[in-house]
Amino acid sequence: DVKVTQSSRYLVKRTGEKVFLECVQDMDHENMFWYRQDPGLGLRLIYFSYDVKMKEKGDIPEGYSVSREKKERFSLILESASTNQTSMYLCASSTFALSSGNTIYFGEGSWLTVV
Amino acid sequence: KQEVTQIPAALSVPEGENLVLNCSFTDSAIYNLQWFRQDPGKGLTSLLLIQSSQREQTSGRLNASLDKSSGRSTLYIAASQPGDSATYLCAVNGNQFYFGTGTSLTVIP
Repeated sequence: DVKVTQSSRYLVKRTGEKVFLECVQDMDHENMFWYRQDPGLGLRLIYFSYDVKMKEKGDIPEGYSVSREKKERFSLILESASTNQTSMYLCASSTFALSSGNTIYFGEGSWLTVV
Repeated sequence: KQEVTQIPAALSVPEGENLVLNCSFTDSAIYNLQWFRQDPGKGLTSLLLIQSSQREQTSGRLNASLDKSSGRSTLYIAASQPGDSATYLCAVNGNQFYFGTGTSLTVIP
């Protein structure tokens, strides 16, 4: 069965802390994504990666960075957490995006509260 | 840039009713369209994937249609049940994935 696993479901962090959100997929997918989801704003793409050590900025990369050292793992890093980064973070993976047959799969989400 | 719209934002229906959820997109150059279900506090679960060359896909009580030329897709849910209560999102796959903001469905017993 297809699986995208986000290691932390609920986190509470203090302003200024460095935060790591980890995501692992077991489908050997090339592409991995990080989104944040906020009420009324829908899903917004933060970063994506189409290969190991490759990363591309999405629509809202400011305040975030990512790391992809292995194909199955994609980490989202908040260098200095701020209260406006309180949100639900969703990791996803897919096969090569320019294929007509691919599906995007999501993890269960990580709720981050910054106080 | 591709824009995906879902109207209405919320819908409430009595149990047993058939219903249609709408998704529209501005750029018809897509590879496929996907419908998802999201329960409160959870991730997105894929329901149906329609390739750009297809007109519809069916899974159980769900039927999704795609009219690429007019930039529209519908998700038809037959004989709705309280367990269908969730938010339904559509996503189009062009050079990247673009998501609608979803329709929150409540099925009243």
